[in-house]
Amino acid sequence: AQTVTQSQPEMSVQEAETVTLSCTYDTSESDYYLFWYKQPPSRQMILVIRQEAYKQQNATENRFSVNFQKAAKSFSLKISDSQLGDAAMYFCAYRSAETSGSRLTFGEGTQLTVNP
Amino acid sequence: DSGVTQTPKHLITATGQRVTLRCSPRSGDLSVYWYQQSLDQGLQFLIQYYNGEERAKGNILERFSAQQFPDLHSELNLSSLELGDSALYFCASSFGRQETQYFGPGTRLLVL
Repeated sequence: AQTVTQSQPEMSVQEAETVTLSCTYDTSESDYYLFWYKQPPSRQMILVIRQEAYKQQNATENRFSVNFQKAAKSFSLKISDSQLGDAAMYFCAYRSAETSGSRLTFGEGTQLTVNP
Repeated sequence: DSGVTQTPKHLITATGQRVTLRCSPRSGDLSVYWYQQSLDQGLQFLIQYYNGEERAKGNILERFSAQQFPDLHSELNLSSLELGDSALYFCASSFGRQETQYFGPGTRLLVL
C-alpha cells in the first residue's frame, strides 16, 4: 500500500518570502500522480498543483511550483511571494495510475502560517 | 467554487441514528468519491463510484453504505452512528477514473 508522509506539522513564513513544504511517499508503482491540496479555515479542499510521475518537468502554477524527485520519492511544494491568503493546511496526496480505483492517499498535512 | 455540491452543510444527530449525506458532482463528471476527515484518522478514502457502479472501497465501515444514482448524484448513508463518526465528510468528483478530483465543501457531522 502506498503511504504519504509530511514531516512538518507546522511551518511559518513572512509575507512576500518563499517557503517550501516537504512530502515523501512510498510506492512500488512507476506510474502515478501527485497533488498538493490546500485547506483554508473554510475547510474547503482546493487543488493547488498536480504532477504526473512520467513527466520529468516540474509542475508550476503561478507562485506555486514543485520539486519532484522520483528516485528519492520526494515531492515538495514551493510557494513564492507568500501572501496572507496562502495561510492554510496543505495536504500532499498520491494517486495510482495503474490500478482500477483512483483513490487519493493523503499525508498528515502541514499547517502554514503567513506572518504580515 | 469547485462545482461539486454537498448537502447538508452541517448535521447534528444522536448516537444510534441514521443520516444520509448527498453529493452532486460537477457537470459531466462520472466518478464520485467519498472521503472522511477526522482529527484522529486524518483524510481517509471511503468509497468510489463510476457511472453508477462501485469501483473501489477503502476503510468504509459496514454501518456505512453509498450509491450513485442514474443522474450521477451520490448518497452516503451512515447508520447506528457512534461518537467516533463525528467528522467532515467530503465528496469529490472527476470526469474519468484518472482525472483530477475536485472536492465539494463537505458535510460536518456531529454525533452527540
